[in-house]
Amino acid sequence: GAGVSQSPSNKVTEKGKDVELRCDPISGHTALYWYRQSLGQGLEFLIYFQGNSAPDKSGLPSDRFSAERTGGSVSTLTIQRTQQEDSAVYLCASSLQAGGTTDTQYFGPGTRLTVL
Amino acid sequence: AQKVTQAQTEISVVEKEDVTLDCVYETRDTTYYLFWYKQPPSGELVFLIRRNSFDEQNEISGRYSWNFQKSTSSFNFTITASQVVDSAVYFCALSEARTSGTYKYIFGTGTRLKVLA
Repeated sequence: GAGVSQSPSNKVTEKGKDVELRCDPISGHTALYWYRQSLGQGLEFLIYFQGNSAPDKSGLPSDRFSAERTGGSVSTLTIQRTQQEDSAVYLCASSLQAGGTTDTQYFGPGTRLTVL
Repeated sequence: AQKVTQAQTEISVVEKEDVTLDCVYETRDTTYYLFWYKQPPSGELVFLIRRNSFDEQNEISGRYSWNFQKSTSSFNFTITASQVVDSAVYFCALSEARTSGTYKYIFGTGTRLKVLA
């Protein structure tokens, strides 16, 4: 069984460009989570999906960040007009469901984003 | 406010020593879940344990043990007879349900454990 996969593994972009980060969850997992890990920092929770729905987007750092999930599977995190402070590792995780006894999260390898 | 505090930024021990990683949490909920994750140098977080707020029984898994004490809001992690392969960053995390019916996930800032040969 494949784990959570993320692509690209590394992304270098110029300030002001848009980037898309992709996450492919574990098959059968209905919940999907995005986190940001800046250098030497803990994990900052961004957003989660239960199915295709993101019930709370308040964790997204700014309106330049958006996320979607289609077909209850793959999710895309989009950062528009990237800034240097967006440089971080973006981690995706999935779980059977969100909340309750089934939200043990399994993490992907992350996408390292560098904004020049 | 919900919060997870891992006061130990970095710990160094010599192989075979026992080491305890501290985790203190804050929550107003009565139902919540606590987790520990390991992030080895390769970078991918690995799930270690999950504990719900109604289960204060301590757990042992091989060289790993966890001490959950609601009275002190702590969920500490002990590695017995540490090994070099235990070197990693360890994160404590809390999940809880909000009144809106959504969920929130809070991670601590991690403790970097270095086990020296």
